[in-house]
Amino acid sequence: GIQVEQSPPDLILQEGANSTLRCNFSDSVNNLQWFHQNPWGQLINLFYIPSGTKQNGRLSATTVATERYSLLYISSSQTTDSGVYFCAVGPKTGGFKTIFGAGTRLFVKA
Amino acid sequence: SAVISQKPSRDICQRGTSLTIQCQVDSQVTMMFWYRQQPGQSLTLIATANQGSEATYESGFVIDKFPISRPNLTFSTLTVSNMSPEDSSIYLCSVLTGVEQYFGPGTRLTVT
Repeated sequence: GIQVEQSPPDLILQEGANSTLRCNFSDSVNNLQWFHQNPWGQLINLFYIPSGTKQNGRLSATTVATERYSLLYISSSQTTDSGVYFCAVGPKTGGFKTIFGAGTRLFVKA
Repeated sequence: SAVISQKPSRDICQRGTSLTIQCQVDSQVTMMFWYRQQPGQSLTLIATANQGSEATYESGFVIDKFPISRPNLTFSTLTVSNMSPEDSSIYLCSVLTGVEQYFGPGTRLTVT
């Protein structure tokens, strides 16, 4: 089946710093989403981005489907950005299933 | 988008017992999913639950252990049967609306 790899696995930032999270996937996908799981466990949709670039405030994402990777940019990080960031993909051959990467655990220090 | 609620939000259960988790969605959806998230891990798909048909289980998950009901387009239940401490996890309900997937708040289960 499709493999989804996220890097780095862990990241510690000082408040105000910028960061880039990466998601590599091993096969063609129909869809790709980025989620943020906050410290209370709630999964929050950040982006639906099977290709192209999107921005939402301090966050932006880019997916290059032909090269099978996606990037999530966090600028001017805040302590509330802490949590786990997951990349999730829907394989072209997988029906409606979504496969999650292992996540990037982010801690932003005040 | 979709607003999803789950009951219970958390529970502590004894081994050998069963727990049924409820998932309610604020709109009619065709595709519903149940995931498990073990402590410190990512999400693993248990099964896809479609209204009017049997749930489709992923490798490593069986109906006898995780029976699922989907009586209508806004509701589903997942039962964790004959629980053991290894079943201690967060169980999440999810729906697909259009192309985006949304998740409920999860049910945090501890088995002692």
